[in-house]
Amino acid sequence: DVKVTQSSRYLVKRTGEKVFLECVQDMDHENMFWYRQDPGLGLRLIYFSYDVKMKEKGDIPEGYSVSREKKERFSLILESASTNQTSMYLCASSLGTGSYGYTFGSGTRLTVV
Amino acid sequence: TQLLEQSPQFLSIQEGENLTVYCNSSSVFSSLQWYRQEPGEGPVLLVTVVTGGEVKKLKRLTFQFGDARKDSSLHITAAQPGDTGLYLCAAYGGSQGNLIFGKGTKLSVKP
Repeated sequence: DVKVTQSSRYLVKRTGEKVFLECVQDMDHENMFWYRQDPGLGLRLIYFSYDVKMKEKGDIPEGYSVSREKKERFSLILESASTNQTSMYLCASSLGTGSYGYTFGSGTRLTVV
Repeated sequence: TQLLEQSPQFLSIQEGENLTVYCNSSSVFSSLQWYRQEPGEGPVLLVTVVTGGEVKKLKRLTFQFGDARKDSSLHITAAQPGDTGLYLCAAYGGSQGNLIFGKGTKLSVKP
């Protein structure tokens, strides 16, 4: 069963901590994405990658960075966590663009206190 | 970046009722996707429609792509509690070729 795996379902971190969210896909997909999802705001794209070692800013990249050292793994880094980064974080992958669907992970619910 | 507007935002119905939710845009899309997201989980792709006027059926769910490829609808017949979730429409229209999502319709089906 092909899937996208996010390392943690729930995380609680303190303000100012550096936070790593890991995502691994087993479908040999080229493209990977990080979104955050907040009530009333929908899914907002943080960063994405169309190839290994390649990264592109999405709509809300401030306060985040990413790493893609291997094709199957895409990490989201919160450089210095803040309370306004409390959210549901969703990782997704796709085979390509055009009409390909995304496969999402189950999400990480991050609370910054 | 183009926008996808979904309506209604919330829908609460009784088991056995029929319902329709909508996804509209002023932009033309080459294809459109529908996802369902259950509470605490990530969205799951239900269907992709690619041709204007296309109708696709998935058991009790019927998806239609508008003739002008600017809008789509999802109709559920005889809704069941298992249909509860957030229904998202999506299309390729982001500034860098990525998928854009509507904000979704949150459906609650009560037994």
